[in-house]
Amino acid sequence: NAGVMQNPRHLVRRRGQEARLRCSPMKGHSHVYWYRQLPEEGLKFMVYLQKENIIDESGMPKERFSAEFPKEGPSILRIQQVVRGDSAAYFCASSPGPLDEQYFGPGTRLTVT
Amino acid sequence: KQEVTQIPAALSVPEGENLVLNCSFTDSAIYNLQWFRQDPGKGLTSLLLIQSSQREQTSGRLNASLDKSSGRSTLYIAASQPGDSATYLCAVRQDSNYQLIWGAGTKLIIKP
Repeated sequence: NAGVMQNPRHLVRRRGQEARLRCSPMKGHSHVYWYRQLPEEGLKFMVYLQKENIIDESGMPKERFSAEFPKEGPSILRIQQVVRGDSAAYFCASSPGPLDEQYFGPGTRLTVT
Repeated sequence: KQEVTQIPAALSVPEGENLVLNCSFTDSAIYNLQWFRQDPGKGLTSLLLIQSSQREQTSGRLNASLDKSSGRSTLYIAASQPGDSATYLCAVRQDSNYQLIWGAGTKLIIKP
């Protein structure tokens, strides 16, 4: 049973470009969570999704950020018109149910130049 | 609002010493608490998960304790090794909530 997969592992974007981060949950997991880790800080919750539904996006910046978890395929975190302050590590986690242990992927490190 | 604090922010000790990392939280109504390890530029490795009804968990040289009433958890590392050098993160889950609330971590360096 493969773990949570994220790609790309490293992503470099210029200011104003779009960044797409992908997360494939563990087999049998239908709950996905995205967290962001700014340099030298702990992780901060961004969004919680189930298949085809956004359950809680209270941690997402109101503009430029969006997330989806379609019926087929990975969950996508999309950042439009990236700025330097978006440079961070973005971690995805998945769980079989909302109160079950979350299993983390290796993260995507976004660098905005 | 739950806040998680880890002190110290950094710790450097000689190899072989036993050490304790601290995690404190402001709201005792937690579902569980989890300790993670993060190596530079790498992902997260779950070390120990303590349910709210438990007092401690052990794995090898690691022992994590939980005192809900005082809002504290400690991670004890016995006979430290250079390979233990990493950042250790503490995360708390509130009752009936899926969000993990994280501390900023303790950066541990074990000197050979």
